[in-house]
Amino acid sequence: AQSVSQHNHHVILSEAASLELGCNYSYGGTVNLFWYVQYPGQHLQLLLKYFSGDPLVKGIKGFEAEFIKSKFSFNLRKPSVQWSDTAEYFCAVNAEAGNNRKLIWGLGTSLAVNP
Amino acid sequence: GAVVSQHPSWVICKSGTSVKIECRSLDFQATTMFWYRQFPKQSLMLMATSNEGSKATYEQGVEKDKFLINHASLTLSTLTVTSAHPEDSSFYICSAIRQGADMTQYFGPGTRLLVL
Repeated sequence: AQSVSQHNHHVILSEAASLELGCNYSYGGTVNLFWYVQYPGQHLQLLLKYFSGDPLVKGIKGFEAEFIKSKFSFNLRKPSVQWSDTAEYFCAVNAEAGNNRKLIWGLGTSLAVNP
Repeated sequence: GAVVSQHPSWVICKSGTSVKIECRSLDFQATTMFWYRQFPKQSLMLMATSNEGSKATYEQGVEKDKFLINHASLTLSTLTVTSAHPEDSSFYICSAIRQGADMTQYFGPGTRLLVL
């Protein structure tokens, strides 16, 4: 079965530290990849997505992610985090099989940034 | 753009009653909407996929007679929790895919249901 794995469940950083959140998926075919963020008390928002083309994707708020097909990975990065980045981060994958538009979700990573 | 709303934002009901939750795409048409449950500090659990004008597709283990989904228009999908019980208490979230666009899902703010 297809699955998405986020290795870091809880991350605590100080402001200005660099961030990398891991995301790996298990599917050998064509995939569409997403990172969503859920700030405390708010709804899920799209951070960035990858469909094709340049494997280094830039999103909102200074986030980026790199798709490495050989490693089945789509890690999220930010060079310098801020207190306002405290949130839950979810990686999601769509495996293009037929007309399937469902997303397979990782369990999420809780990020706390200390001021 | 791509704003999704849900109503109500929270609801408390007695056990045995039914509750209807609305999901609306405010500034776009959505051929496909999804309904999720999210448990505290956990990921999203997909309940069903709702396509406009057709029956919803339920995920394994989700009772279709308990969670009735109606996608009557390109901007509205409803989830009705029938004969609610305390174990149905949860955070219900909908998402929508913009018609004619890529498959990015845009999420509503969620509905908190508490069944007493």
